Amino acid sequence: AQSVTQPDIHITVSEGASLELRCNYSYGATPYLFWYVQSPGQGLQLLLKYFSGDTLVQGIKGFEAEFKRSQSSFNLRKPSVHWSDAAEYFCAVKGRNTGNQFYFGTGTSLTVIP
Amino acid sequence: DGGITQSPKYLFRKEGQNVTLSCEQNLNHDAMYWYRQDPGQGLRLIYYSQIVNDFQKGDIAEGYSVSREKKESFPLTVTSAQKNPTAFYLCASSIARGQPNEKLFFGSGTQLSVL
Repeated sequence: AQSVTQPDIHITVSEGASLELRCNYSYGATPYLFWYVQSPGQGLQLLLKYFSGDTLVQGIKGFEAEFKRSQSSFNLRKPSVHWSDAAEYFCAVKGRNTGNQFYFGTGTSLTVIP
Repeated sequence: DGGITQSPKYLFRKEGQNVTLSCEQNLNHDAMYWYRQDPGQGLRLIYYSQIVNDFQKGDIAEGYSVSREKKESFPLTVTSAQKNPTAFYLCASSIARGQPNEKLFFGSGTQLSVL
């Protein structure tokens, strides 16, 4: 069965510190991989996606993520966190075949302290 | 600007009442979706539609109904059969469902609560 695991429910970091949010997936074959961000009471915004090619992908707002096939992981990173990065972050996967649907993790809530 | 508009932002339902959540998009997308979000949980798919006048059940369709009479619109009705409707509801769209490079675009959501 397909699943997405985000093991950290909540993370607190200081402004300016580095950030890594973990995402592991279970899927029959390598899926497409996504990270979305959600501000309180808002919809989800796409941060970045991995379809193929370079396993280190760059996204918006200074985020990047690295796909590691051997670990079935797609961790999100940012070198220096800003207070405006406080939000909920969701990892998602989607199969490569036509008709496959998206599967979302349960999210990681990020708090940034000054 | 192109985007997805959900209304209302907040909605309250009385016992035994049906309520309808609106979702409109001007992105010219073929596919539209409804997701339910509960605290501490991921998004769960309620219904989706690939083209006008066609829609399919998702993982948690019981107690919900939809229609797709226009490409731009995909309203969701939460019926009285849905016993636990309190949640944040998100509408999304994409150019075409299931395409390999599909990306979802989301509205800003509707918070539904029971009085």
